[in-house]
Amino acid sequence: NAGVTQTPKFRILKIGQSMTLQCTQDMNHNYMYWYRQDPGMGLKLIYYSVGAGITDKGEVPNGYNVSRSTTEDFPLRLELAAPSQTSVYFCASSYSGRGNTGELFFGEGSRLTVL
Amino acid sequence: AQTVTQSQPEMSVQEAETVTLSCTYDTSESNYYLFWYKQPPSRQMILVIRQEAYKQQNATENRFSVNFQKAAKSFSLKISDSQLGDTAMYFCAFMNYGGSQGNLIFGKGTKLSVKP
Repeated sequence: NAGVTQTPKFRILKIGQSMTLQCTQDMNHNYMYWYRQDPGMGLKLIYYSVGAGITDKGEVPNGYNVSRSTTEDFPLRLELAAPSQTSVYFCASSYSGRGNTGELFFGEGSRLTVL
Repeated sequence: AQTVTQSQPEMSVQEAETVTLSCTYDTSESNYYLFWYKQPPSRQMILVIRQEAYKQQNATENRFSVNFQKAAKSFSLKISDSQLGDTAMYFCAFMNYGGSQGNLIFGKGTKLSVKP
């Protein structure tokens, strides 16, 4: 069972570079999310999506963009990387239908360092 | 705005003993979910236990149980018969029921070490 898969697991970027973190889920969940986790902190929501073609900002969206062209995929793009974006990024998904429990299923995280 | 506070940055417990992790939260909502997530060194967040605010009965999952005090806005996690594999960061999290789904509000976490 793959669940939520993120790539890459590690990446080092130079200031000003761009990159895309990939996320895919095979559970047919409508809802998908991107969080970032800074050292000693809990996770903070960057963007989320309630279905293909629909995205919305979370708590900390600046410097990021997302798209949701399919139910399975929810890539996160960093434009003009800055040291403040050094963090661990988590993708997650959840079931939104009848009987949903609110539980999120997380990927293994992507550690990004901007130098 | 909702907030979640975990007042214990680090805790340790001997194997086979019981430990309680504290969590308090602040909200004006009446319907919500509360969660405890575990993050082992491998980094992947794993759900330990969840509680729906309208349920008075405390949730239990094997060795894990909660003490949910809605009036006090307290949601502590008790781990019984601690095992070495319980070593991890534990995050308490809050989510509005029916609100912006997935907008979990996390505490800063408690690092639990289980010692042999």
